[in-house]
Amino acid sequence: NAGVTQTPKFQVLKTGQSMTLQCAQDMNHNSMYWYRQDPGMGLRLIYYSASEGTTDKGEVPNGYNVSRLNKREFSLRLESAAPSQTSVYFCASSPGTGTYGYTFGSGTRLTVV
Amino acid sequence: GEDVEQSLFLSVREGDSSVINCTYTDSSSTYLYWYKQEPGAGLQLLTYIFSNMDMKQDQRLTVLLNKKDKHLSLRIADTQTGDSAIYFCAEDTGGFKTIFGAGTRLFVKA
Repeated sequence: NAGVTQTPKFQVLKTGQSMTLQCAQDMNHNSMYWYRQDPGMGLRLIYYSASEGTTDKGEVPNGYNVSRLNKREFSLRLESAAPSQTSVYFCASSPGTGTYGYTFGSGTRLTVV
Repeated sequence: GEDVEQSLFLSVREGDSSVINCTYTDSSSTYLYWYKQEPGAGLQLLTYIFSNMDMKQDQRLTVLLNKKDKHLSLRIADTQTGDSAIYFCAEDTGGFKTIFGAGTRLFVKA
């Protein structure tokens, strides 16, 4: 089925470890996004890529880096994980500016101990 | 800054109508959205409304927009147990920024 695929679904890290969350979409969308979801706080934008070759900071970028590898793939990297980064991470995509809404992946549940 | 607020919980009986409310702050929003999140899943776009519309109906869903009061609501007719989920209101503030509310958890009692 067409959509947004995220890997892994679950991950436990120790403080200071690094990891990369992978995201791929097969809908030929131009724009891709990384959000984190914390209880009672809704979704907060970490980084986004308006089009292939560009990335920009969102509301909460500190501690994260991103790579738009090609039109399909947008990865999120935690260089030195901290307990405050325990969250559920969602990747999303849209044809353009988000008009008509986003398509979300099923999420990565990350725990940093 | 921009903000979207929703009540956290709503409980209804199966067969009743559910009304989920949302207020937003950015008067320049062009599109407003409702998403549904089921346990362990990502957000799924339910419906959206353009800012120059007052109402949009899609089968059991009715969206009402009051731009003057910056108030958006989602009415689900004949609510079923399968409608139990978290519902997120979101506004498109332009420039690749969509602001999400914290979500309303809908409980449907059989």
